[in-house]
Amino acid sequence: GNSVTQMEGPVTLSEEAFLTINCTYTATGYPSLFWYVQYPGEGLQLLLKATKADDKGSNKGFEATYRKETTSFHLEKGSVQVSDSAVYFCALIHSGGYQKVTFGTGTKLQVIP
Amino acid sequence: GAVVSQHPSRVICKSGTSVKIECRSLDFQATTMFWYRQFPKQSLMLMATSNEGSKATYEQGVEKDKFLINHASLTLSTLTVTSAHPEDSSFYICSARALGTSGDTDTQYFGPGTRLTVL
Repeated sequence: GNSVTQMEGPVTLSEEAFLTINCTYTATGYPSLFWYVQYPGEGLQLLLKATKADDKGSNKGFEATYRKETTSFHLEKGSVQVSDSAVYFCALIHSGGYQKVTFGTGTKLQVIP
Repeated sequence: GAVVSQHPSRVICKSGTSVKIECRSLDFQATTMFWYRQFPKQSLMLMATSNEGSKATYEQGVEKDKFLINHASLTLSTLTVTSAHPEDSSFYICSARALGTSGDTDTQYFGPGTRLTVL
C-alpha cells in the first residue's frame, strides 16, 4: 500500500536559518504529492503541491520538487521566520479512484527569534 | 481559493449526548468529503469517506453506528457523534474534493477542525 515517511521532529531553528524537512513515499503509479501546514489549534492548509515527476511546488518561500527517482518530496525554505512555526505534513493522493490521502506523521517546526 | 468551513469550531457536551458537526464547501461543489480524527501531537486518521447521495465508506475499526455521516448535498456533509463518551474527545477535521473541472480535482481542501470535548 501507499505510505509517507517524514523526518522526526521537532525541528528547532533560529530565525533566517535554512529549512529542510525530508519526505519520502512509497506508492504505485504516479501519485500527486502535497505539503500541508497546521498552525496550533487550526485545521490543515495546503502549502504546495506537485502532480508529476520533476514538478516543483512553491508557495510563501517554501519549495518542494517531485523526485520520482528517489521517491522524495523534501520541503525547503531559504530563510525561516517565527511565523513559520507549525506542524508540516507530507501527503500523497493517488489520482483517480478512491482519492484517499496518505499522510506522513507530521514534523513540528519551531523557529526561535 | 477553495474554502471549507466547519461548524461548530468547539463543542463541549455531556457524556451520552449526541453532537453534530457540519462541513461545508463554500465556493465549490464537492463530490467527496472525508472525515478525519486527530489525536494530540499525532497525524490525521481517516475515519470515513462520504459521497453525495450514497452511504459513507468507513475505515476499518471505525464504528458506523457511532459516527453517523450524511452527505446530503454537494456542499454539505455532517458527522454526528452519537452517545458521546470522554474517549470520543478529539479534533475532528473534514476535507472536500472538488467536482469536475471547476477546480483542482486532485487536491483536498481541509476545514479548520472541530474540537470536541466530552465531559
